[in-house]
Amino acid sequence: AQSVTQLGSHVSVSEGALVLLRCNYSSSVPPYLFWYVQYPNQGLQLLLKYTSAATLVKGINGFEAEFKKSETSFHLTKPSAHMSDAAEYFCAVSELRDDKIIFGKGTRLHILP
Amino acid sequence: GAVVSQHPSRVICKSGTSVKIECRSLDFQATTMFWYRQFPKQSLMLMATSNEGSKATYEQGVEKDKFLINHASLTLSTLTVTSAHPEDSSFYICSARSGGGPGYEQYFGPGTRLTVT
Repeated sequence: AQSVTQLGSHVSVSEGALVLLRCNYSSSVPPYLFWYVQYPNQGLQLLLKYTSAATLVKGINGFEAEFKKSETSFHLTKPSAHMSDAAEYFCAVSELRDDKIIFGKGTRLHILP
Repeated sequence: GAVVSQHPSRVICKSGTSVKIECRSLDFQATTMFWYRQFPKQSLMLMATSNEGSKATYEQGVEKDKFLINHASLTLSTLTVTSAHPEDSSFYICSARSGGGPGYEQYFGPGTRLTVT
């Protein structure tokens, strides 16, 4: 069965510093991988997705993620954090045959001034 | 971009009553809609998947008689929580997809906060 593990329920970085949110997945077939962002009391917004094309995926708001099959990882990064990046981030996995998305538990990103 | 709306955004109901939540795709036709439940500070848990004109497919552990899902058109799906109890209080989020398979993006609604008193 597919699953996602996000390391760290809370991550704090200083404004302007590198953002790194970690995600490892488990899937028996090549997966589709996603990162979503959720602001308080709102739905989810897709940041980026990997669908077996380029392993380095660029998303919105300056975020990118790299698919590493050997490490079963799909970590999210941003070179320079902004105060507006403070939110909850969810990594998710899906298999074509399964037709549904499984979410990780989320990582709350705090930006320190 | 594609927009999904939910109504109401917040609802408070008394224990034992039923409440209906609407999910609409505003500018595209949604062949598939998904309903999720999110507890405070936790992840989204998929409740059910519905395809237009078909019966919803419920995830294991979700009571289909309690959470009634209707996907009557390509732009509207409804979730009815029947005989609600305080433990049903949660944040309910729907998403809609225009095509088949996970390669098609799911667009999420803003969520509905249900409080059962």
